[in-house]
Amino acid sequence: EAQVTQNPRYLITVTGKKLTVTCSQNMNHEYMSWYRQDPGLGLRQIYYSMNVEVTDKGDVPEGYKVSRKEKRNFPLILESPSPNQTSLYFCASSPAGIGEQYFGPGTRLTVT
Amino acid sequence: SQQGEEDPQALSIQEGENATMNCSYKTSINNLQWYRQNSGRGLVHLILIRSNEREKHSGRLRVTLDTSKKSSSLLITASRAADTASYFCATVVAGKSTFGDGTTLTVKP
Repeated sequence: EAQVTQNPRYLITVTGKKLTVTCSQNMNHEYMSWYRQDPGLGLRQIYYSMNVEVTDKGDVPEGYKVSRKEKRNFPLILESPSPNQTSLYFCASSPAGIGEQYFGPGTRLTVT
Repeated sequence: SQQGEEDPQALSIQEGENATMNCSYKTSINNLQWYRQNSGRGLVHLILIRSNEREKHSGRLRVTLDTSKKSSSLLITASRAADTASYFCATVVAGKSTFGDGTTLTVKP
C-alpha cells in the first residue's frame, strides 16, 4: 500500500531533550516536506526537500533540522525542543513537488 | 504570511445543500490544490487545477480558478454528513508550499 508513515504518533517530552520524528514514504517520491499545524495558524511549512541531499527552509525552520540521505526517509530533528514547538506535525511527499502531496497521519508533540 | 486565505472560516449547512468555499492567493502559480482534513488527521488531496484551467470537476466537487483575481472556489454539491471536515487550498511555488487557513464545514444530517 502506498503510504507515508510517521513515528512516533504521539510524544510528550521535556524542554531541551533532543528528539527525532521519522518520516518514510514507499512511493519513490522525490519531494518531501514537513509541516506544523497550530490552531488559528493553519499549516505552515518547516522544511522541504526536492531530492536526496537537497533541503530548503520553509516558513518556520527555526529550531528544526532535517536530512535527506535516502529518497524514502526525511527525519525531522528537534535538537533542543521548547514548549513553543508543541504542535501537530505532518510529513508529506509528492512525485515532483508541484503536484498533489500525500500526507502522513501526523505526530502530536507536547514539550513541557 | 500565508499565501492562501480562505473564507468563510466556518460553514454550517444541512445535508443535501451545496457548500462553497473560497481561496485567495498572492503570487503566480502553476496550479492550485484543494485538500480535506478530518479532525486531527492527515490531509487528503481532493483536486488540482492548473493555472491554464478555469474549471474542473471531480464527482460532487467543482473547482474554479480565476488567475486575474488570484482566487479559487470549491463547490461541494449535494453535501452529506460525511463531508464534515476542514478544507484547505494550497499552492506550491519552487518547492515552497503554502496552505490557506482552511474552512471548517459542518453538514447536519
